[in-house]
Amino acid sequence: DQQVKQNSPSLSVQEGRISILNCDYTNSMFDYFLWYKKYPAEGPTFLISISSIKDKNEDGRFTVFLNKSAKHLSLHIVPSQPGDSAVYFCAASAGRTGANNLFFGTGTRLTVIP
Amino acid sequence: GAVVSQHPSWVICKSGTSVKIECRSLDFQATTMFWYRQFPKQSLMLMATSNEGSKATYEQGVEKDKFLINHASLTLSTLTVTSAHPEDSSFYICSARASTGNTEAFFGQGTRLTVV
Repeated sequence: DQQVKQNSPSLSVQEGRISILNCDYTNSMFDYFLWYKKYPAEGPTFLISISSIKDKNEDGRFTVFLNKSAKHLSLHIVPSQPGDSAVYFCAASAGRTGANNLFFGTGTRLTVIP
Repeated sequence: GAVVSQHPSWVICKSGTSVKIECRSLDFQATTMFWYRQFPKQSLMLMATSNEGSKATYEQGVEKDKFLINHASLTLSTLTVTSAHPEDSSFYICSARASTGNTEAFFGQGTRLTVV
């Protein structure tokens, strides 16, 4: 049972425009969410995270929004750059309950077109 | 950021042999390490969680006798795939956390295992 879902397997965006990657989750116990970027044959690289006590976290070009009532989060990249082309994984954990393992979505492949 | 080194990055082995994959945290002490596997075009699936000095906790459906995990020190965890078969071919990734709670996990670069 996939508790974290990324329904868009791929996304193409023009350089300079905004990229919006979406993620939905089903487990209401999740209270910490992370986005990872992954290149082929490499391990994921941490990008940005958000705790359930917040609804927005910003770090440079990356902003994550959390809508707890909808169990939805999104990653905004603006402006998008060709180097952002990669697979992006959304992940969630229920840290406060002590279950600190991460549940991953299936990933969204972002292609930024120069 | 913190560095997690995974070795080897790729390995080819014959069916029936065992393969050991190492995961090291280079600049922090990892009280908890996680092992994932990823099949093509699929998500990372957690296999097991290991805490230093104690037995690993395996996820449902993961055979603990086949995937041996040892977390003997705060900087090293190993995954041994015993009696490997072609269906074990996958991308194995480890991650490490410095402490429990809401801290991000840092990932190794992954190991591509091909069993022929």
